[in-house]
Amino acid sequence: GAVVSQHPSWVICKSGTSVKIECRSLDFQATTMFWYRQFPKQSLMLMATSNEGSKATYEQGVEKDKFLINHASLTLSTLTVTSAHPEDSSFYICSARPLLGGYYNEQFFGPGTRLTVL
Amino acid sequence: AQTVTQSQPEMSVQEAETVTLSCTYDTSESDYYLFWYKQPPSRQMILVIRQEAYKQQNATENRFSVNFQKAAKSFSLKISDSQLGDAAMYFCAYTRDNDMRFGAGTRLTVKP
Repeated sequence: GAVVSQHPSWVICKSGTSVKIECRSLDFQATTMFWYRQFPKQSLMLMATSNEGSKATYEQGVEKDKFLINHASLTLSTLTVTSAHPEDSSFYICSARPLLGGYYNEQFFGPGTRLTVL
Repeated sequence: AQTVTQSQPEMSVQEAETVTLSCTYDTSESDYYLFWYKQPPSRQMILVIRQEAYKQQNATENRFSVNFQKAAKSFSLKISDSQLGDAAMYFCAYTRDNDMRFGAGTRLTVKP
């Protein structure tokens, strides 16, 4: 149980276009979903926290107009990178915290999405 | 703000031997949660072990155990009988209310 999926797993886009990444909790409902960014050989950096039905909370330095987050249901959150540029190329990971049955404040992680902007 | 420090960018261990990965953190809270995650080349984050701060007993999961020193704010991971499949990046993480903070990671190499 506690599976989180991400789609797509890898996307290549042209500079200036927008890209949407989906994060789904497959077998549980999530009160909160998180979006992380990971550069090569670096750690995970929290970008934003989203709660179902409310606006996301962005970390300092993260442009909320560039990284649009929508948490439309208890099982789905989306991250849209708007007007993507090469510097947005990175590995994006989402995680989800269960609504029920979770403990230790545990988060379950998706497999990640590799974004390459040409 | 809470910070998590992993002072060993890389570690190496011989197969079947034991290795300890270090982690320290900074917090003013008394109740929180600590985790060790493994990230293999696939980059899927895999939970290795977890510890709740109010529990004094060190967590153990098969070959993995922690040495949790609350006063020293230290949370090291011991891997016993290391296996080739243990080779990966290991991240220490702290969370309390909501978000999770990660250390910089330690790359573990297992030599056959």
